[in-house]
Amino acid sequence: DIQMTQSPSTLSASVGDRVTITCRASQSISTWLAWYQQKPGKAPKLLIYKASSLESGVPSRFSGSGSGTEFTLTISSLQPDDFATYYCQQYKTYSQTFGQGTKVEIK
Amino acid sequence: QVQLVESGRGVVQPGGSLRLSCVASGFTFSSYGMHWVRQAPGKGLEWVAFIRYDGTNKFYGDSVKGRFTISRDNSKKTLYLQMNTLRPEDTAVYYCAKEGIGCSGDGCPFDYWGLGTLVTVSS
Repeated sequence: DIQMTQSPSTLSASVGDRVTITCRASQSISTWLAWYQQKPGKAPKLLIYKASSLESGVPSRFSGSGSGTEFTLTISSLQPDDFATYYCQQYKTYSQTFGQGTKVEIK
Repeated sequence: QVQLVESGRGVVQPGGSLRLSCVASGFTFSSYGMHWVRQAPGKGLEWVAFIRYDGTNKFYGDSVKGRFTISRDNSKKTLYLQMNTLRPEDTAVYYCAKEGIGCSGDGCPFDYWGLGTLVTVSS
């Protein structure tokens, strides 16, 4: 299976900060990567697919980049609603795998 | 609007069985592959199983292979997960999820998720 590793595991930031989360794949996955946001007690929400395509309805402050084995999710100006846990997911293969998550906390 | 509603939550003893259901609405269910994803308490997301739109192909995660069976009834717009020989480590919230766009040849991102149903395996 392809392993996905996110960093950092926890991130403390303030409203208005620019935030970057990194996701690394154990082998090349081209751009077959998605990012999700999850709040406590809720289902994950798709933010980005194919590494950099913004899902419909998602604010433009979210952006994704990368290809091969290294990817980033950037929030250009952190808003109060953005404090949550973020997961990357590779879907190059049927056996899809998620990163371990990055919790974005209030500083 | 798209809705996915899971049911079948419960407490089961180790070695027991349980069947989960996921009723879909708001989209053409028979045109989309569907997945089950689980999340143990306080842990991350783990992909469990996939079924092709027509039910002809099924794939499973290593931790559930041989114990869980995914199926679907397109006439009822319902996805199922039959879970046998349950273990304490299967304790989790189970989500059904719909495939979105931007797919690779083998996989897709998940654009809609249900609210989840809790399965607890304990004696």
